Amino acid sequence: DIQMTQSPSTLSASVGDRVTITCRASQSISNWLAWYQQEPGKAPKFLIYRASSLQSGVPSRFSGSGSGTEFTLTISSLQPDDFATYYCLQYNSYPRTFGQGTKVEIK
Amino acid sequence: EVQLVESGGGLVQPGGSLRLSCVASGFTFSGYWMSWVRQPPGKGLEWVANIKEDGSEKYYVDSVKGRFTISRDNAKNSLYLQMNSLRPEDTAVYYCVRGEGWVDHWGQGTLVTVSS
Repeated sequence: DIQMTQSPSTLSASVGDRVTITCRASQSISNWLAWYQQEPGKAPKFLIYRASSLQSGVPSRFSGSGSGTEFTLTISSLQPDDFATYYCLQYNSYPRTFGQGTKVEIK
Repeated sequence: EVQLVESGGGLVQPGGSLRLSCVASGFTFSGYWMSWVRQPPGKGLEWVANIKEDGSEKYYVDSVKGRFTISRDNAKNSLYLQMNSLRPEDTAVYYCVRGEGWVDHWGQGTLVTVSS
């Protein structure tokens, strides 16, 4: 199985900060990676697919990059709605696997 | 508007069975792969299984193989997860999700608790 490792596990930041979350795959997954945002008590929300393609309706302050084994999710200017937990998902092979999550907290 | 509504969760004893259902609306259900993803309380997301549009292909995470069965009824716009030989570690919120690779729409989830 492909292991997905996110860093950091927790991130403290302020409104307006630029935030970067990293996701590393245990083997190459090309660009078959998606990102999700989950607020407490809610279902995850789909943000990005194919590593860098923004889902329709997602604010442009979110961006994704990377290929192979290393990927990043960047929020260019953190907004109050962005304090949540973020997950990466690889869909290069079965079983599909998620990263363990990165919680973005208010500093 | 895409809607996915799960039902069937509840409290079950170890070794017991449960069948989850998901009714889809707002899109052509028969044109999409569908999946189940679960989340234990306070923990991260785990992909469980998915099924092709016509039901001809199914994939499972190793921890549920031989115990869980994913199925669908396109005439009823419904997705199912039959869960047998349930274990305490199966306790989680189970989400019905649309998609095979990335999954784009999620239900609100149904809680399954396996405990004596």
